[in-house]
Amino acid sequence: DVKVTQSSRYLVKRTGEKVFLECVQDMDHENMFWYRQDPGLGLRLIYFSYDVKMKEKGDIPEGYSVSREKKERFSLILESASTNQTSMYLCASSLPQGTQETQYFGPGTRLLVL
Amino acid sequence: GQNIDQPTEMTATEGAIVQINCTYQTSGFNGLFWYQQHAGEAPTFLSYNVLDGLEEKGRFSSFLSRSKGYSYLLLKELQMKDSASYLCAVSDTDKLIFGTGTRLQVFP
Repeated sequence: DVKVTQSSRYLVKRTGEKVFLECVQDMDHENMFWYRQDPGLGLRLIYFSYDVKMKEKGDIPEGYSVSREKKERFSLILESASTNQTSMYLCASSLPQGTQETQYFGPGTRLLVL
Repeated sequence: GQNIDQPTEMTATEGAIVQINCTYQTSGFNGLFWYQQHAGEAPTFLSYNVLDGLEEKGRFSSFLSRSKGYSYLLLKELQMKDSASYLCAVSDTDKLIFGTGTRLQVFP
């Protein structure tokens, strides 16, 4: 079974703080993704990565950065948290494109920025 | 542009059948996924269609028509635990594009 874990289920931060969200997968998947999910807007892709040290911008990368130093770990960084970044953050991983690249999701981190 | 449409909410009765529709317009197409998401939890994979036709998996079936840009998820013998959001997602070249989800409420 694929397991994707995220470092925190709930997080409360203050405006301006630097926030790290960690994601680890144990299935040796090449692809990893970060989404945010907001009511009425669905899942929106922030960043994704196809390999170690590689990253690609998704649909809403502004205000975020990512790091992929190891294959199993993909970190999302909020350089200076703002209240409009209050959201549910979901990490996912999958096999490479060309296979049935089903994405497997972590449990999510609910972030509140005050 | 990229667009995936599905109804916002649906209700049904325990034991009934419900069909959740999804229409899409994307620049690329490598398959269509359905995910189930219970409140406060992560989405979990339900089905994948890449060819036209019906894929059946127990009480759940998913249909795809690529020429019409259309899919549906069919849930039979509804149970209370099927109350959840159902997300339609299209694989477009290198990433998934998600619809906003259909919230299904099953009543006794």
